[in-house]
Amino acid sequence: AQTVTQSQPEMSVQEAETVTLSCTYDTSENNYYLFWYKQPPSRQMILVIRQEAYKQQNATENRFSVNFQKAAKSFSLKISDSQLGDTAMYFCAFIAQTGANNLFFGTGTRLTVIP
Amino acid sequence: EPEVTQTPSHQVTQMGQEVILRCVPISNHLYFYWYRQILGQKVEFLVSFYNNEISEKSEIFDDQFSVERPDGSNFTLKIRSTKLEDSAMYFCASSEFNEQFFGPGTRLTVL
Repeated sequence: AQTVTQSQPEMSVQEAETVTLSCTYDTSENNYYLFWYKQPPSRQMILVIRQEAYKQQNATENRFSVNFQKAAKSFSLKISDSQLGDTAMYFCAFIAQTGANNLFFGTGTRLTVIP
Repeated sequence: EPEVTQTPSHQVTQMGQEVILRCVPISNHLYFYWYRQILGQKVEFLVSFYNNEISEKSEIFDDQFSVERPDGSNFTLKIRSTKLEDSAMYFCASSEFNEQFFGPGTRLTVL
């Protein structure tokens, strides 16, 4: 079974600063995908960034980047130049490439950007 | 940009009543999903649907739940006899491969 753990229930960061959200996962799969989703107060689930497990290069999307450590089963999200609009819940999620095709989510980290 | 849509945005129902939540997935996607998020908790998988049948379901998805793709565009989740603990946000998602796109959710409140 797959599990996803986010050990930081809440975090805060000053506007324009950098923050890192942690995520670890457990799986016996070798091929899988990892995602970070953002859920603002509207509760819409918005995909922030994805990482394929077979790729060694860390994914980057503008101000968002990940530190993917496959051996350690770690997948952290770094947000640079934090903006007020980044205030949201952030969920780490896992999906296996084969077999069950549902997403497994962590419990989320509530990020507050302070002006 | 194509998106997943869900209706209604908010549904209030009495305990024991049947509800149908509706979703229109992205048109060229082949896989459809329902997830649930109880307030303050994580998002939980309910069911996935492919080729007009259920491909996976969780232990939450018991006999009170059913899904259907009644036509070429809609994907519905039916809860036959709602319970108080069914109050949650229900998200529909669709995918072509492994990246799932979520709808805005339906907030279900069972009184």
